[in-house]
Amino acid sequence: GQQVMQIPQYQHVQEGEDFTTYCNSSTTLSNIQWYKQRPGGHPVFLIQLVKSGEVKKQKRLTFQFGEAKKNSSLHITATQTTDVGTYFCAGPSSNTGKLIFGQGTTLQVKP
Amino acid sequence: SQTIHQWPATLVQPVGSPLSLECTVEGTSNPNLYWYRQAAGRGLQLLFYSVGIGQISSEVPQNLSASRPQDRQFILSSKKLLLSDSGFYLCAWARLTNEKLFFGSGTQLSVL
Repeated sequence: GQQVMQIPQYQHVQEGEDFTTYCNSSTTLSNIQWYKQRPGGHPVFLIQLVKSGEVKKQKRLTFQFGEAKKNSSLHITATQTTDVGTYFCAGPSSNTGKLIFGQGTTLQVKP
Repeated sequence: SQTIHQWPATLVQPVGSPLSLECTVEGTSNPNLYWYRQAAGRGLQLLFYSVGIGQISSEVPQNLSASRPQDRQFILSSKKLLLSDSGFYLCAWARLTNEKLFFGSGTQLSVL
């Protein structure tokens, strides 16, 4: 079946370093969504990308949707301790339209 | 504005006991509703979703069931809990299928 995979599973960085998580789908996606879950919290929607090759920025976060609409990335510049959490990508199933989540990348930031 | 309420926040239940988790949405009508489970340190597993009153689709065979007695109410139930039912349960809503999800604050269920 359709799968959405994320790497790495975990990432530890020093505060101020950059961070990138990658998302790959086994099929072409109509859109890709990104969520952030703080420790002990619930996932919160960050952004949705729709167009091939689309790049969107939110302050220090840069989101990219691949040309083939099968992969995406989230890049954080100069991480801060407030960036700690798990970042999930999600894309709609080509059969049902329901979102399929990646396993998430957990980011730890050392002050 | 729309809000989603989920309770309780934490629950400790013995094996074999029943379960009822409730989720309600305010400020919107006819939302798509979802129940997810998240094992510790893991991703989100879709358990059930509903596109309307009384319409429930199950994603995985399991010991749980869901019901939608009212447009903005979604209930997750079990007649007899298993140890493997432990986890973090999240309710979510969306305006339409494949649109962004709004999650409730979650219920941490421990079955002992």
